[in-house]
Amino acid sequence: AQKITQTQPGMFVQEKEAVTLDCTYDTSDQSYGLFWYKQPSSGEMIFLIYQGSYDEQNATEGRYSLNFQKARKSANLVISASQLGDSAMYFCAMRGAYSSASKIIFGSGTRLSIRP
Amino acid sequence: DVKVTQSSRYLVKRTGEKVFLECVQDMDHENMFWYRQDPGLGLRLIYFSYDVKMKEKGDIPEGYSVSREKKERFSLILESASTNQTSMYLCASSPTLGGNQPQHFGDGTRLSIL
Repeated sequence: AQKITQTQPGMFVQEKEAVTLDCTYDTSDQSYGLFWYKQPSSGEMIFLIYQGSYDEQNATEGRYSLNFQKARKSANLVISASQLGDSAMYFCAMRGAYSSASKIIFGSGTRLSIRP
Repeated sequence: DVKVTQSSRYLVKRTGEKVFLECVQDMDHENMFWYRQDPGLGLRLIYFSYDVKMKEKGDIPEGYSVSREKKERFSLILESASTNQTSMYLCASSPTLGGNQPQHFGDGTRLSIL
């Protein structure tokens, strides 16, 4: 069975600091994909970044990067130079190679609060 | 941009009522999904559909049914609403089977069952 674990229910970070949100996963698939989503208090889920299991380089999208350590089955999200608008819930998610109809499983989320 | 529209942002219903949550996407995606989101539990998949009139159970289908008569529309039905179905409901769509395509989400419906 596939599983996503986010061990940090909540985090507080000072504005402009970098922040790392932890994510570990469990799968027996050789090919899989990892996603991070952001959910502001308004409720919509915003796709941030994707990492494929065979990608040789860590994914980056602007201030977001993914610290992918395949042997440790971790896919931590790094946000550089945090901003007040980064305050939100963050979800790590995974799609397996044989997932029917692009199913994705989600972790329980981390609530990030940025202090001014 | 992909647009996934859920019919209501907030909804209040009574125990025993039949409740319909509607979702429409405008990008001709094959796959559509219904999740519920509860604090500390993340998103849990209720049902999904990979084609018109096709549906499959997710992880928590009990008490729910779905309908997909047209490609762009996916409805979630609470046959007889109960208080433990009070939750945030999120609809999503995606264009491909697997791969690096993310799911695109609607804004969610906060449903309260009294």
